[in-house]
Amino acid sequence: GAVVSQHPSRVICKSGTSVKIECRSLDFQATTMFWYRQFPKQSLMLMATSNEGSKATYEQGVEKDKFLINHASLTLSTLTVTSAHPEDSSFYICSARDSLPPAGVGNTEAFFGQGTRLTVV
Amino acid sequence: AQKITQTQPGMFVQEKEAVTLDCTYDTSDQSYGLFWYKQPSSGEMIFLIYQGSYDEQNATEGRYSLNFQKARKSANLVISASQLGDSAMYFCAMTVYSSASKIIFGSGTRLSIRP
Repeated sequence: GAVVSQHPSRVICKSGTSVKIECRSLDFQATTMFWYRQFPKQSLMLMATSNEGSKATYEQGVEKDKFLINHASLTLSTLTVTSAHPEDSSFYICSARDSLPPAGVGNTEAFFGQGTRLTVV
Repeated sequence: AQKITQTQPGMFVQEKEAVTLDCTYDTSDQSYGLFWYKQPSSGEMIFLIYQGSYDEQNATEGRYSLNFQKARKSANLVISASQLGDSAMYFCAMTVYSSASKIIFGSGTRLSIRP
């Protein structure tokens, strides 16, 4: 199946610094990528939808100036956590979809990156 | 707005037994898809099975089958002959094709297989 690569897998940073997380689709083009946040023992919460060549669409309650998303090409989306604080510590995971088929046609699996565990100290 | 509900926070099952993980959903859209993902302790999301809203037959993938009851808006996952390696978090998820195809997730069920 298609592969989505996410880097880094783990990062520890100091409070006040910024951290960039990359999400790449390795063997397909993804016009849309999604960024999720997952706290321990909780579900994945959608943060934003990243659209190639245009501004990201953020979910309600997500600060767009805090979580900067750039989708500069059909294979790369980045999430930058700006001025990170300990409460930003979490597991961040991206996903990408290869195509948008008509309803009921085929498998529309979304492929996930390996996730990034961010710890802000 | 769409919503996914998983009412079983945790389940224990004896190895080799079948297990059903419950999932109900809510949407007013007619065109949508339902997924099940497995998340082991490593954190990766492993795709298990997909069911489209217009699919007339229940989806099956090896030991996994999806019991799709459209009128009840339920999409339960059935794992036959459970194995120790099945111990993980399981998430039911949904996408609505009229809504940028974003995928939203239920709260998850932690499945533990007893030897």
